[in-house]
Amino acid sequence: RKEVEQDPGPFNVPEGATVAFNCTYSNSASQSFFWYRQDCRKEPKLLMSVYSSGNEDGRFTAQLNRASQYISLLIRDSKLSDSATYLCVVRDSNYQLIWGAGTKLIIKP
Amino acid sequence: EPEVTQTPSHQVTQMGQEVILRCVPISNHLYFYWYRQILGQKVEFLVSFYNNEISEKSEIFDDQFSVERPDGSNFTLKIRSTKLEDSAMYFCASSEPGPINEKLFFGSGTQLSVL
Repeated sequence: RKEVEQDPGPFNVPEGATVAFNCTYSNSASQSFFWYRQDCRKEPKLLMSVYSSGNEDGRFTAQLNRASQYISLLIRDSKLSDSATYLCVVRDSNYQLIWGAGTKLIIKP
Repeated sequence: EPEVTQTPSHQVTQMGQEVILRCVPISNHLYFYWYRQILGQKVEFLVSFYNNEISEKSEIFDDQFSVERPDGSNFTLKIRSTKLEDSAMYFCASSEPGPINEKLFFGSGTQLSVL
């Protein structure tokens, strides 16, 4: 089983719609969780950390479900500029960052 | 916002040659990293560096690879005897010490092509 697993997509979503995707992780002792965004052939950039209580940053909401070992990202009122690959990153018990392969999101006008 | 800079942006080399990829981390950061990403694949951790020594390294980071902080600003990745499969985007990253070191700041990467 992969340590961090994501649906590769692509998710094709009309502009203005809401989209959500999940990421599952295998190590129950994982310590912290993040969503990064990566544009094509660019560097990853931190979108948001994911806290146990869930957190929101504008149109973006992240949730953590420790019992089921997944995190989620919800994007409301999607914009064309949200088109990117979203990378799930988990810090494991050895303090290593484990990266998912990413979910590709395409927002269509 | 301060940024991590990497040079060159593109590097083409012949198989068997040595390459040095250069990075200038953000000045007050203390943790430094190298990652690579083969086209279409996931970001892979290579090595982390703290207090002038390697703190963690992955299975990928074998004897072919080495890192150095030759002065107070540069952080380099040397790849000896390059192979075709070393072709990838190499990202340098840095982070602050303490609880807020969760955020990695990435450079824009060096695209390495081994022919």
